[in-house]
Amino acid sequence: KQEVTQIPAALSVPEGENLVLNCSFTDSAIYNLQWFRQDPGKGLTSLLLIQSSQREQTSGRLNASLDKSSGRSTLYIAASQPGDSATYLCAYNAGNMLTFGGGTRLMVKP
Amino acid sequence: NAGVMQNPRHLVRRRGQEARLRCSPMKGHSHVYWYRQLPEEGLKFMVYLQKENIIDESGMPKERFSAEFPKEGPSILRIQQVVRGDSAAYFCASSPVTGVETQYFGPGTRLLVL
Repeated sequence: KQEVTQIPAALSVPEGENLVLNCSFTDSAIYNLQWFRQDPGKGLTSLLLIQSSQREQTSGRLNASLDKSSGRSTLYIAASQPGDSATYLCAYNAGNMLTFGGGTRLMVKP
Repeated sequence: NAGVMQNPRHLVRRRGQEARLRCSPMKGHSHVYWYRQLPEEGLKFMVYLQKENIIDESGMPKERFSAEFPKEGPSILRIQQVVRGDSAAYFCASSPVTGVETQYFGPGTRLLVL
């Protein structure tokens, strides 16, 4: 059974902190890994996509890394803001579907 | 350039009724995926379709659920004889090419079965 594990499940930090969200997966034959943001009661917003041949991707205050050999990805958020509060999901694509982790619920306090 | 559109956004059905969920992919996208998010659970893949073809339905429940993506019009996820356990958020995603492209998600349809 292919699985995706996200640690921590929940995280609460004061505004301005840099933080790291972790994602581990068991399937080594992935095409890409994607990080999403989901706000309560809303859909998913794609944040970053890392192809299997890449090591990292950056967008603004976000940086995602991928180590396919160890089955790990991290999402780094710099200078966190209250507006970053949401659930962050990682998912890998190994064919016709995305396999999702359970998410990390992030709360950034003003 | 409109994103993935889903309707209705909220749907209430009584046990035994049918639910029809619609998804219009992004312009230029010919690949559609359906995912289900049960309460307090992660998103799970249900089915992957291209125009007029079901490519992978390995995540679909064996009974009561069906999906189509006709040549014209939106993709439809149909749930017959709904039960309370079908209450969930159903998300549709689309991509231009499978495998290496980003999947773009719609806002979801939240189904509540009374």
